[in-house]
Amino acid sequence: EPEVTQTPSHQVTQMGQEVILRCVPISNHLYFYWYRQILGQKVEFLVSFYNNEISEKSEIFDDQFSVERPDGSNFTLKIRSTKLEDSAMYFCASTLAGRYNEQFFGPGTRLTVL
Amino acid sequence: EDQVTQSPEALRLQEGESSSLNCSYTVSGLRGLFWYRQDPGKGPEFLFTLYSAGEEKEKERLKATLTKKESFLHITAPKPEDSATYLCAVQAGGAQKLVFGQGTRLTINP
Repeated sequence: EPEVTQTPSHQVTQMGQEVILRCVPISNHLYFYWYRQILGQKVEFLVSFYNNEISEKSEIFDDQFSVERPDGSNFTLKIRSTKLEDSAMYFCASTLAGRYNEQFFGPGTRLTVL
Repeated sequence: EDQVTQSPEALRLQEGESSSLNCSYTVSGLRGLFWYRQDPGKGPEFLFTLYSAGEEKEKERLKATLTKKESFLHITAPKPEDSATYLCAVQAGGAQKLVFGQGTRLTINP
């Protein structure tokens, strides 16, 4: 069964460093998303991406964040200068269509900022 | 602002003891309500989508129902492997994003 994959599973970084989180969405899906979940809190939407453009973003997704689809399979989230409060699980999701369809989530990358 | 509230926060049941989890929502123009299961340290696993009031979906020991203000996830004769956090999320208006509740942590004791 097709699934979303994410690498790395765990990333430890120093405050102020740049990190890139990688995702391979399900192959025929067209919409891609990043969410995050701070320990003990709700899953929060960050950004959605369609046709090589950001289609929707939250207030969390500020200038420190960027997304890219560098090739036909990968979808990345870059955090330019990490802060302690960026420590969280980051989930990638994909769906065949933007609305009315279930989003399938990857296993997540645990980001720890020291 | 779209809001999703789940109750209870945690629920402990004995194996075979049926119960229900609640998800109440306040949104403008519900497009879909989604139930996910999340195991510790893992990503949400899709269970159901409900689109309109009165709709019901079933999968093994789980049944999800939807009204105009809330959804219930009924679990019948649960087993220890049903232990997980169950998340409810809504998609509303023209948005693609999912808005999640805080989840119900379900523990089934053998």
